[in-house]
Amino acid sequence: GENVEQHPSTLSVQEGDSAVIKCTYSDSASNYFPWYKQELGKRPQLIIDIRSNVGEKKDQRIAVTLNKTAKHFSLHITETQPEDSAVYFCAASRAGGGNKLTFGTGTQLKVEL
Amino acid sequence: EADIYQTPRYLVIGTGKKITLECSQTMGHDKMYWYQQDPGMELHLIHYSYGVNSTEKGDLSSESTVSRIRTEHFPLTLESARPSHTSQYLCASSESGGSYEQYFGPGTRLTVT
Repeated sequence: GENVEQHPSTLSVQEGDSAVIKCTYSDSASNYFPWYKQELGKRPQLIIDIRSNVGEKKDQRIAVTLNKTAKHFSLHITETQPEDSAVYFCAASRAGGGNKLTFGTGTQLKVEL
Repeated sequence: EADIYQTPRYLVIGTGKKITLECSQTMGHDKMYWYQQDPGMELHLIHYSYGVNSTEKGDLSSESTVSRIRTEHFPLTLESARPSHTSQYLCASSESGGSYEQYFGPGTRLTVT
């Protein structure tokens, strides 16, 4: 089955700096890679996703890059703000897998003033 | 408003009791999922369903069972709760077709004493 590794487990940045979270996956058939943000005590919410036919996707301060050859993808947050503080999860899903997601272990991002 | 609902939000129960965690969605989605998550930690898929009368076990072995008699309803049952079942349980749903996005409910935090 799919295995998703995520690094780092914790990340502390100064407000305004950039943050990068990296994930690797094992199943070359995986073709959908979402990122979820989970604030303390809240439900996970999708913030950005990318499919395997695209190398990069941006949405305002958030971007995701995908390297299919190396089987890794990354989340980039620019101009971080205190409200970006949360746990971020990457995930992977394969075509024909019923939309099942395999999640990474999460990254606790803390944006300090 | 279309959403996914879970009840109860918090449950403290004694060992050996039978419990049912409720999950309902008004989003018209065919696919539904149950995840187990310790606070701030990885999400583990324990059950999923592609539609009415379809249920499958997920990647993490669980002593719980599920049923899918109605499209909008996907309850999870523990016949005999144990302290090892203490965790947060998240329900999610996604549509069939091109969108892989999963929408999560607010979760049920279960404590077994």
